[in-house]
Amino acid sequence: KNEVEQSPQNLTAQEGEFITINCSYSVGISALHWLQQHPGGGIVSLFMLSSGKKKHGRLIATINIQEKHSSLHITASHPRDSAVYICAVAEGTYKYIFGTGTRLKVLA
Amino acid sequence: KAGVTQTPRYLIKTRGQQVTLSCSPISGHRSVSWYQQTPGQGLQFLFEYFSETQRNKGNFPGRFSGRQFSNSRSEMNVSTLELGDSALYLCASSLALAGGNYNEQFFGPGTRLTVL
Repeated sequence: KNEVEQSPQNLTAQEGEFITINCSYSVGISALHWLQQHPGGGIVSLFMLSSGKKKHGRLIATINIQEKHSSLHITASHPRDSAVYICAVAEGTYKYIFGTGTRLKVLA
Repeated sequence: KAGVTQTPRYLIKTRGQQVTLSCSPISGHRSVSWYQQTPGQGLQFLFEYFSETQRNKGNFPGRFSGRQFSNSRSEMNVSTLELGDSALYLCASSLALAGGNYNEQFFGPGTRLTVL
């Protein structure tokens, strides 16, 4: 079993839909990071969380430390949101453990 | 402030050769981490450097090595390349403030290595 599990692995949505991507982890963490990777490879940081909830535009990220679970929500999805979303947990201070990613495709 | 830069962006090598990749962190960032991304294994941690010292290492063979210079720039080297080393290699930098608390990492665009 992977230390960081993401679901779903693939997701296709219609423009305007509300999207949720889930991340569960089994290790102790100091922080959790949601990353976005577009075709071509560059990784963009969306959120870093150690507790509670954060919101940036149409994106919302939550984390429940007791349940070892985090969710990334996209409201009013748009085709430009199409990307791979990766959950990464910071184990200790030096390194990430990554989820396998969720490939999102938003259709116009 | 300029972001993390990596050079070269693309590289093609043949089996048995060696390769050196470079990463320049964000100005003021003292920690540099390296990651390998492949379709089969996803993103995996290679190693992390701080103040020219390797602090942590992932589960990769000794063919993978790195170093960090006094200006925080970092290089990673892969010797005796194998086909399976074909991957996107990403580096990330962070402030690594004193006290050991976790600091957010900022990723570079990556170097795509193809081994033929």
